[in-house]
Amino acid sequence: DARVTQTPRHKVTEMGQEVTMRCQPILGHNTVFWYRQTMMQGLELLAYFRNRAPLDDSGMPKDRFSAEMPDATLATLKIQPSEPRDSAVYFCASGLRRSQSDTDTQYFGPGTRLTVL
Amino acid sequence: GQNIDQPTEMTATEGAIVQINCTYQTSGFNGLFWYQQHAGEAPTFLSYNVLDGLEEKGRFSSFLSRSKGYSYLLLKELQMKDSASYLCAVRVFKAAGNKLTFGGGTRVLVKP
Repeated sequence: DARVTQTPRHKVTEMGQEVTMRCQPILGHNTVFWYRQTMMQGLELLAYFRNRAPLDDSGMPKDRFSAEMPDATLATLKIQPSEPRDSAVYFCASGLRRSQSDTDTQYFGPGTRLTVL
Repeated sequence: GQNIDQPTEMTATEGAIVQINCTYQTSGFNGLFWYQQHAGEAPTFLSYNVLDGLEEKGRFSSFLSRSKGYSYLLLKELQMKDSASYLCAVRVFKAAGNKLTFGGGTRVLVKP
């Protein structure tokens, strides 16, 4: 049963600390997405990759957030320094897009619930 | 940018039918997705429409009218486990790749 995995599932940290979230996409998928979900803003796209190359990170605050794909099986989202307003659930999703006709349905991981005190 | 509207909340009775509407305004439309999200869990894929018409999948159906910028998700024979948020998401074609923009979600409460 292929699924996206994310670690950690929960993270509580103090303001100013670095936070790293990890995602393992479904094996064979070539698109990876990072989202943030809060009650106020809903689900917002932060960044996405295709074939490990970053295509769009316009939704991400660049001064403190960074997203990378060191290899095809690992995507990371880092916040440094973290702030209380970063408290949210961060979802990773993966999909398969080989051509324009592919549906590229996104399959979501369980999320990382981040609390910054 | 994209503008996606869906009702915030709906209540229905077990065994009944509920229709969740979604309207959108966007350029470069390249498909519409519906996701289900139970409280505290991840969104899970329900349906995808890119052409006008109705797509049926068991108790769930999704309809799209591109000219009207309108879609609906129809849930039939409601069960208690259908209590969840339902997210409408529009995919927009961009040169750098497609992106999904999600609506705020419709919370559906199924009562006995």
